[in-house]
Amino acid sequence: EAQVTQNPRYLITVTGKKLTVTCSQNMNHEYMSWYRQDPGLGLRQIYYSMNVEVTDKGDVPEGYKVSRKEKRNFPLILESPSPNQTSLYFCASSLTERSPLHFGNGTRLTVT
Amino acid sequence: SQQGEEDPQALSIQEGENATMNCSYKTSINNLQWYRQNSGRGLVHLILIRSNEREKHSGRLRVTLDTSKKSSSLLITASRAADTASYFCATDRRDNTNAGKSTFGDGTTLTVKP
Repeated sequence: EAQVTQNPRYLITVTGKKLTVTCSQNMNHEYMSWYRQDPGLGLRQIYYSMNVEVTDKGDVPEGYKVSRKEKRNFPLILESPSPNQTSLYFCASSLTERSPLHFGNGTRLTVT
Repeated sequence: SQQGEEDPQALSIQEGENATMNCSYKTSINNLQWYRQNSGRGLVHLILIRSNEREKHSGRLRVTLDTSKKSSSLLITASRAADTASYFCATDRRDNTNAGKSTFGDGTTLTVKP
């Protein structure tokens, strides 16, 4: 089944403790992207990748890192999480940057 | 401010009625897409309309695009309780320096009462 898989679904952590949210797609998509969703602010793009080893900042990249070493994986790294990064995170992929996005089921992160 | 902004923020209708949501954006685009989100879940793609298209249909969905006004509308006809969800528009950017960037609006929350 074609899908985007994010893990974990829920994560509670403390300020400053490094964490990684994984994202994997099985559709051979070139484009992958991370978003955060906060009440009243809609979805905001964090980072995106047009292909392997090509990543770029979205609108809210501060405090996040990404890597794209393989086509299928696009992990989101929070080196030193802070409470303002408490949010619902979505990974998405598409054939190209202009194609319809396929979303994962989300990761709800709480930083205390 | 957001590239895409939906209007209204919330809409409540009776089953069988039509629902219309609007989206406005600020910069030149290649495509505009509409997505649906059931509470807390991942977004699901509904329809894509290209900048050179004015109207597109898919089942009970009708999307229009007016590039001169930088706006789009999504019409859901003969609504059902199962259409209850949040609806988002998303735009990409035409300029090459922002290729790959996508912007979502804040969404319209639609409630369809049985």
